[in-house]
Amino acid sequence: EAEVAQSPRYKITEKSQAVAFWCDPISGHATLYWYRQILGQGPELLVQFQDESVVDDSQLPKDRFSAERLKGVDSTLKIQPAELGDSAMYLCASSLRDYNTDTQYFGPGTRLTVL
Amino acid sequence: SQQGEEDPQALSIQEGENATMNCSYKTSINNLQWYRQNSGRGLVHLILIRSNEREKHSGRLRVTLDTSKKSSSLLITASRAADTASYFCATGGGKLIFGQGTELSVKP
Repeated sequence: EAEVAQSPRYKITEKSQAVAFWCDPISGHATLYWYRQILGQGPELLVQFQDESVVDDSQLPKDRFSAERLKGVDSTLKIQPAELGDSAMYLCASSLRDYNTDTQYFGPGTRLTVL
Repeated sequence: SQQGEEDPQALSIQEGENATMNCSYKTSINNLQWYRQNSGRGLVHLILIRSNEREKHSGRLRVTLDTSKKSSSLLITASRAADTASYFCATGGGKLIFGQGTELSVKP
């Protein structure tokens, strides 16, 4: 069964360092999402791509976060510089095409710890 | 911002018992979804119920939706230890808005 791949699974970094997370969606899925999940809470959307275009990045802290999906396939989320409050699980999800109706499939996530 | 609120926040039951979780939301919806998350892992989609549906079944899962009360419930029948996880409701299309989740513990 096809799955969303994410790497790394765990990342420990120091404050002010740069970190990057990678996501490979299910083959053929046009829509890709990055969510952030703080411990004890539900995920919150950071950015949504339709193919290579950003559909929604209203909750992305653009002073330190950036996301790209250059060829409309895999995606990278970067944080520079990392802050203590960025410690969280970063989840990637993908859906087929119609993001209003299609099920989102989630990857295993990247657990970020900022020291 | 969180759209939904799950109740209870935590639930502990014995294997074989039924587990019921509730979700309330604030705005009009087209559909509502339930997801499961095992500790430290990604989310798994369980079931989607559309706004014109009142009840939906999938295996041991039963979901109800009351749009007049802006609420939904998830019932897991004959629970198993493997059902131990956090359960989230989510609303919206594309930009899913999740509740804070119910942490279910099923003791063997």
